[in-house]
Amino acid sequence: KNEVEQSPQNLTAQEGEFITINCSYSVGISALHWLQQHPGGGIVSLFMLSSGKKKHGRLIATINIQEKHSSLHITASHPRDSAVYICAARRGGSEKLVFGKGTKLTVNP
Amino acid sequence: DTAVSQTPKYLVTQMGNDKSIKCEQNLGHDTMYWYKQDSKKFLKIMFSYNNKELIINETVPNRFSPKSPDKAHLNLHINSLELGDSAVYFCASSPGASGGYEQYFGPGTRLTVT
Repeated sequence: KNEVEQSPQNLTAQEGEFITINCSYSVGISALHWLQQHPGGGIVSLFMLSSGKKKHGRLIATINIQEKHSSLHITASHPRDSAVYICAARRGGSEKLVFGKGTKLTVNP
Repeated sequence: DTAVSQTPKYLVTQMGNDKSIKCEQNLGHDTMYWYKQDSKKFLKIMFSYNNKELIINETVPNRFSPKSPDKAHLNLHINSLELGDSAVYFCASSPGASGGYEQYFGPGTRLTVT
């Protein structure tokens, strides 16, 4: 079992829908990252958080340290949000990121 | 003025050859990384350097050798290429190695070994 699990693996939504992607991890962490990989392959860091909640535009990331769970929410989804979203946990005391397998999101117009 | 750049973007080569991928960052970051993304899109850390010093060395074949001539560059040299080395290799950088820092990724190098 991977140390970082994401769900769902694939997600199809209609434009305007509220999206939630989940990430659970089994290791102690110092931070959790959400990344976006565009269809062209480029990877962009969306959030890094160690507690609470962060918001950037239509994207919101939350983390519950006790439950070892994080969620990425997209409000008012748009076709340009179509991408693979990757959760990555930074192990406590380590500089190493451990990645989930990604969630492929497709938003249809 | 790309923040993290990699060359080449595509690399097609035959088994047994030796090849290098170069990475440069102009962000003034202290820490750089190499990641491998396999055909199933799964990312894994390979190496990390902090101020030219190796700090992460995952279990990769010793045919892979990173080299950091200065803290703005981290190159990846691969000897005796094998079919299983075909993947996309991403370079990344972050301001520091300790604590929580965001990582900035290069565009990736797609390596195809035939």
